[in-house]
Amino acid sequence: DTAVSQTPKYLVTQMGNDKSIKCEQNLGHDTMYWYKQDSKKFLKIMFSYNNKELIINETVPNRFSPKSPDKAHLNLHINSLELGDSAVYFCASSQVHEETQYFGPGTRLLVL
Amino acid sequence: DQQVKQNSPSLSVQEGRISILNCDYTNSMFDYFLWYKKYPAEGPTFLISISSIKDKNEDGRFTVFLNKSAKHLSLHIVPSQPGDSAVYFCAASWQGGKLIFGQGTELSVKP
Repeated sequence: DTAVSQTPKYLVTQMGNDKSIKCEQNLGHDTMYWYKQDSKKFLKIMFSYNNKELIINETVPNRFSPKSPDKAHLNLHINSLELGDSAVYFCASSQVHEETQYFGPGTRLLVL
Repeated sequence: DQQVKQNSPSLSVQEGRISILNCDYTNSMFDYFLWYKKYPAEGPTFLISISSIKDKNEDGRFTVFLNKSAKHLSLHIVPSQPGDSAVYFCAASWQGGKLIFGQGTELSVKP
């Protein structure tokens, strides 16, 4: 049973394309997150949603738009992909007001 | 502005010995600290955590120590096993908010 799942696991695409990454959690958590791990291996938060409501929005380009259709899902849509968007994107979830977050396996995005 | 730092990018330890991974932070508002373990091509897995009201938390072979005055925490693994070889991230948060991660330390446990 996968607690936090992401699709796809790998994504190779051309510059300028639009792509989406999906995330689902079956832990019953209220809060979900998107993190980006760049080439220097830093894990940085991008967005956080609590019960479908955006609560954290770091300084991320407008080309990135999260969407939460329900509290078990948080998708990430990226418009006009750029070379610098190449990274590993991790989804995570937690219970509201609890610090421990549980991560998905990551989506490896390569923009050519 | 890196608020959480892991200054050792790698650490090599003999099987059976102690592994000590270190983490420093700058923001005194942090009130909760976590360690995550990450294998290649997988997501980070929660390992152990500690609240700022404690100075030690133990779970089996893993112990986390917190020194608030020095803004320093460490993870001790005793005894180290080859399966412990992974990248270890420390993270900090305050008031249940976002996690701020260090850049990770790659631990290699040699048989």
